Amino acid sequence: SQQGEEDPQALSIQEGENATMNCSYKTSINNLQWYRQNSGRGLVHLILIRSNEREKHSGRLRVTLDTSKKSSSLLITASRAADTASYFCASQYYNTDKLIFGTGTRLQVFP
Amino acid sequence: NAGVTQTPKFQVLKTGQSMTLQCAQDMNHEYMSWYRQDPGMGLRLIHYSVGAGITDQGEVPNGYNVSRSTTEDFPLRLLSAAPSQTSVYFCARSYFQGGGGAFFGQGTRLTVV
Repeated sequence: SQQGEEDPQALSIQEGENATMNCSYKTSINNLQWYRQNSGRGLVHLILIRSNEREKHSGRLRVTLDTSKKSSSLLITASRAADTASYFCASQYYNTDKLIFGTGTRLQVFP
Repeated sequence: NAGVTQTPKFQVLKTGQSMTLQCAQDMNHEYMSWYRQDPGMGLRLIHYSVGAGITDQGEVPNGYNVSRSTTEDFPLRLLSAAPSQTSVYFCARSYFQGGGGAFFGQGTRLTVV
């Protein structure tokens, strides 16, 4: 399977805590992206990090990328109940336009 | 719907029937793709297209056909539906330059009985 993997599969935290999700992918990439999916809805693009970048920030999101380990992490700081959703990483394969998704992390933030 | 329209939203098919899932975009993006989402499996790429007249296979192409006669439309055809094709199908358009990403439709929930 070309599909990447994420861990943990599920994460439960209290509001105000930080949430960290990890992603591993399988081949050389142009970029790595993170998406959020609320239950039963389509996915929403959160952030993209290019293969020559190591860290990127957007609001309460911080993404890191380690191409030597083929891994990335998403940190959501000061979580809110509204952050409850599934989060997916997606790797755009090098020299192609394929965008391959990981298996996702289900985040539950309790008020 | 982020400029991606999928129809129908729900569909029930009998085994062996064929059907076409429609996907249309209004942003003139070259890249479009189809995914299926099954519980615990995340999204898996079925087919994708980098422009009109150009399509390629993804991770799970068997049992599906696509064509791209215009930039706007990217239909997905199920040739002979099987219960294993019961899933939620998502179409997406993408624009990766400048830090962009994929924009998804709301999905088609397909049940094959």
